[in-house]
Amino acid sequence: DAGITQSPRHKVTETGTPVTLRCHQTENHRYMYWYRQDPGHGLRLIHYSYGVKDTDKGEVSDGYSVSRSKTEDFLLTLESATSSQTSVYFCAISVGQGPYNEQFFGPGTRLTVL
Amino acid sequence: AQSVAQPEDQVNVAEGNPLTVKCTYSVSGNPYLFWYVQYPNRGLQFLLKYITGDNLVKGSYGFEAEFNKSQTSFHLKKPSALVSDSALYFCAVRDGVGNSGGYQKVTFGIGTKLQVIP
Repeated sequence: DAGITQSPRHKVTETGTPVTLRCHQTENHRYMYWYRQDPGHGLRLIHYSYGVKDTDKGEVSDGYSVSRSKTEDFLLTLESATSSQTSVYFCAISVGQGPYNEQFFGPGTRLTVL
Repeated sequence: AQSVAQPEDQVNVAEGNPLTVKCTYSVSGNPYLFWYVQYPNRGLQFLLKYITGDNLVKGSYGFEAEFNKSQTSFHLKKPSALVSDSALYFCAVRDGVGNSGGYQKVTFGIGTKLQVIP
């Protein structure tokens, strides 16, 4: 999984609680991404980062925030979890940000919000 | 707006037979096209990409894909399927127009499940 780890790998939580997912990379790549995967939707981008403290929204960012205080770590926070945020979350990196650069994905975090 | 279509939810093929997983796309400018594979409980793995040049792109695990500009397609192929090829396959596209250095969105298809039957 390209030196990318995600924690936790599985989490069950209750509606209204905050949840933080962590993505860690070992190769100091500048660009990092958070996606969610849902049946019938493929992967959808939540937020991305192009450097320490540099982040921007993706297509499904409502209810999520991110932080990147170190190159190697990219945190995704669900401020107040809802059942609609039950999903599998993937972190990814890319070597560059050009449109021709492929992405490398972590193993995923399965989140269930009851 | 860019889009990707994978018209088949599932493709079944006998082991040893050739396989094709279909993908069509829509972009404003030149397309950058990707195929990824996802095995159960794993993240997506990059297989191959088309940037420019030869329309037949070769990738990992014996896979290849053919870019057809007139049909706006980028079908994934393999001459002889293996049971271990059974997985979920995603096509993705990025639009090359307007790339001034900012982030270029990747659009993923919804995935096609490939089942190789022994």
